[in-house]
Amino acid sequence: DVKVTQSSRYLVKRTGEKVFLECVQDMDHENMFWYRQDPGLGLRLIYFSYDVKMKEKGDIPEGYSVSREKKERFSLILESASTNQTSMYLCASTPGAEGNTIYFGEGSWLTVV
Amino acid sequence: GDSVTQMEGPVTLSEEAFLTINCTYTATGYPSLFWYVQYPGEGLQLLLKATKADDKGSNKGFEATYRKETTSFHLEKGSVQVSDSAVYFCALIQRNTGNQFYFGTGTSLTVIP
Repeated sequence: DVKVTQSSRYLVKRTGEKVFLECVQDMDHENMFWYRQDPGLGLRLIYFSYDVKMKEKGDIPEGYSVSREKKERFSLILESASTNQTSMYLCASTPGAEGNTIYFGEGSWLTVV
Repeated sequence: GDSVTQMEGPVTLSEEAFLTINCTYTATGYPSLFWYVQYPGEGLQLLLKATKADDKGSNKGFEATYRKETTSFHLEKGSVQVSDSAVYFCALIQRNTGNQFYFGTGTSLTVIP
């Protein structure tokens, strides 16, 4: 089975802190994604990556950056956390082939106080 | 652009009732269509998918048929159980956008005994 692992399930950070959310997938997938999920807004794409060291902005990249130094790992960085970044963050991956399933991690609940 | 629209919730049903959650899409070309389920506190899991027109996806008693003429992919189950209580997301992938998925906003289902 494909496994997408997010390093932290629950985090509480202070406003202005730098926050790292880590994600690792074990199936050699080409594509990796970061979404945030908020009530009434569904899933919104923050950033995605097609390959090592490559990244593309999604729909809501402001206030976030990403890093993909290795194929299996995709990190989301909040340079200076703000309260409006309190949310559930979901990492996901897909193989390179067309029409394939997207696999999600269990999510990271981030609260910024 | 591509998008997915699904019926708003929340939906509350009694056990053994019939379930329909509507999903329509807007896309050029021939997308693949998916239903994902999110149980409380977890990430999203694939429920079923269909990759071409008239295909029927099915899993765990749920079904959805890819209707190109009505651009729809409605989710149905003949007899829901309490354990089906979750949030359901309709999604599409458009092959010419680099495997980028588009999700609906989710429909919350609660099944009461």
